[in-house]
Amino acid sequence: AQSVSQHNHHVILSEAASLELGCNYSYGGTVNLFWYVQYPGQHLQLLLKYFSGDPLVKGIKGFEAEFIKSKFSFNLRKPSVQWSDTAEYFCAADSGTYKYIFGTGTRLKVLA
Amino acid sequence: SQTIHQWPATLVQPVGSPLSLECTVEGTSNPNLYWYRQAAGRGLQLLFYSVGIGQISSEVPQNLSASRPQDRQFILSSKKLLLSDSGFYLCAWSGFGGGNEQYFGPGTRLTVT
Repeated sequence: AQSVSQHNHHVILSEAASLELGCNYSYGGTVNLFWYVQYPGQHLQLLLKYFSGDPLVKGIKGFEAEFIKSKFSFNLRKPSVQWSDTAEYFCAADSGTYKYIFGTGTRLKVLA
Repeated sequence: SQTIHQWPATLVQPVGSPLSLECTVEGTSNPNLYWYRQAAGRGLQLLFYSVGIGQISSEVPQNLSASRPQDRQFILSSKKLLLSDSGFYLCAWSGFGGGNEQYFGPGTRLTVT
């Protein structure tokens, strides 16, 4: 069955620390991958997406993610987090149908 | 620009009462529309999606139903609410076709008492 796994449920970092959030997917064939973020009190919004091409994808606010097909992974990274990055982060996947599957989310808290 | 509206923002309903949550999208045509339920620590669960007026696909068997009476209107309903229907409901839209990014509404917090 298709699935998306996020293994870090809660992450606490100090400002300026580096961030890497794991995301693994289980899909056969072509897959589109997304990272969404939900800041406190705000809508879910897209951080970045991968459809094809360069496996290193850059998104908003200095975030990037790398698609590694051999590892079925799409980890999210940021070299230096800020207090304003405190949010919940969701990885999602879709195989070109309409059945998006989301991971369980990672709550990031950045300490000032 | 496109916007998505959901109402009400919060709702408290007794067990056995009916439910109607509404979602409308502005600034786009022929969107794909989605209803999700978000539970703490469990991510987003896709409940229904629609690729056109009157076309509804259900992803999980449940006490809820969805309808799309107009191109940019999506309604989530129940005839009789259960306690287990409590949760946070999100509406989203995406461009026509599969694999596009989704845009989410503000959500409705439903508490069934």
